[in-house]
Amino acid sequence: KNEVEQSPQNLTAQEGEFITINCSYSVGISALHWLQQHPGGGIVSLFMLSSGKKKHGRLIATINIQEKHSSLHITASHPRDSAVYICAVRSGTSGSRLTFGEGTQLTVNP
Amino acid sequence: DGGITQSPKYLFRKEGQNVTLSCEQNLNHDAMYWYRQDPGQGLRLIYYSQIVNDFQKGDIAEGYSVSREKKESFPLTVTSAQKNPTAFYLCASTGWGTGELFFGEGSRLTVL
Repeated sequence: KNEVEQSPQNLTAQEGEFITINCSYSVGISALHWLQQHPGGGIVSLFMLSSGKKKHGRLIATINIQEKHSSLHITASHPRDSAVYICAVRSGTSGSRLTFGEGTQLTVNP
Repeated sequence: DGGITQSPKYLFRKEGQNVTLSCEQNLNHDAMYWYRQDPGQGLRLIYYSQIVNDFQKGDIAEGYSVSREKKESFPLTVTSAQKNPTAFYLCASTGWGTGELFFGEGSRLTVL
């Protein structure tokens, strides 16, 4: 079993729909990142969380440390949100170890 | 603007040749990483370095080598010993204090 599990693997939505991507992990962590990878391959960090909830525009990320679970929500989805979303957790000395989920391929149709 | 620069973006190599991928950051980050990504798969760790002149093997280090002579630079050499080097390679860095995580744009290596 992977230390970081994401679901679903693939998600297709219609423009405007509310989207949720889930991430569960089995190790103790110091922080969790939500990342976005576009078709060109570059990756950007959307959020870093160690507790609670963060919001940036239409994106909301939550984390429950006790349940070892995080969610990424996209409100009013748009075709430009189509990308791979990756959950990554920090653990180890000084949080230097990064473990990645397999990613969720999101396609938003107009 | 601060960030990570990877080069080249695309690289073609003949079998038996070594190639070096460059990764430079101006973020003053201590830790740097190299990952490999194959189509439809997640990121796999090749090597990482937490400080200058020190680096550790990741999960798939065989056939690769790195150096960390300067804080800003963490080049990856794909040697001829790497049996299946065609892949997308990503460099990343992170700062201890802020925890911010940055990635380069990636280098796509094709072995002919």
